[in-house]
Amino acid sequence: SQKIEQNSEALNIQEGKTATLTCNYTNYSPAYLQWYRQDPGRGPVFLLLIRENEKEKRKERLKVTFDTTLKQSLFHITASQPADSATYLCALLANQAGTALIFGKGTTLSVSS
Amino acid sequence: GAGVSQSPRYKVAKRGQDVALRCDPISGHVSLFWYQQALGQGPEFLTYFQNEAQLDKSGLPSDRFFAERPEGSVSTLKIQRTQQEDSAVYLCASSLGAGTGGSEAFFGQGTRLTVV
Repeated sequence: SQKIEQNSEALNIQEGKTATLTCNYTNYSPAYLQWYRQDPGRGPVFLLLIRENEKEKRKERLKVTFDTTLKQSLFHITASQPADSATYLCALLANQAGTALIFGKGTTLSVSS
Repeated sequence: GAGVSQSPRYKVAKRGQDVALRCDPISGHVSLFWYQQALGQGPEFLTYFQNEAQLDKSGLPSDRFFAERPEGSVSTLKIQRTQQEDSAVYLCASSLGAGTGGSEAFFGQGTRLTVV
């Protein structure tokens, strides 16, 4: 079955720096991969989706890459701000039917001023 | 409302008690998902509805868990004879299209269930 690893539980960076979070999966390459942000006591909020035929996707200060050879996605936040502090989850298809997502454990980002 | 609404926000149940958790998805959304999130973990899939049809219930951990969406809108997740390991946040999500379909899923704030 598909497994996801987000290899950092916590990442601490200074304001203004670029945060890079990693998501690795172990089995078949999914048709797409999603990134979510979750704040304490809240549900996840969708950020970006990248498809298998896309190498890179950008949205404002966010950039996602998807390397199906390495089975890896990188999530970058440039010019990070304290307000970016949250847990970031990657998610991909749990099955070919597309009825469920499998989520990683998340990486908790702390941006200090 | 504008988003996915879940109630109650918090529920404390005595072990052995039955509970019912409600989800109001975004109006018109075809897909509805239930996830369970333990502390420090990512959400884990429980079940999926496309309109009123429950197409995937492979994530339900036991036959004590039951979900329904009888009219294709509001959904209820019921847990019978609750046990301490059921303590978690239960998240509901909805999306416009069928399946995960590459489309954005909108999550509610969740119901935090504590079984004592």
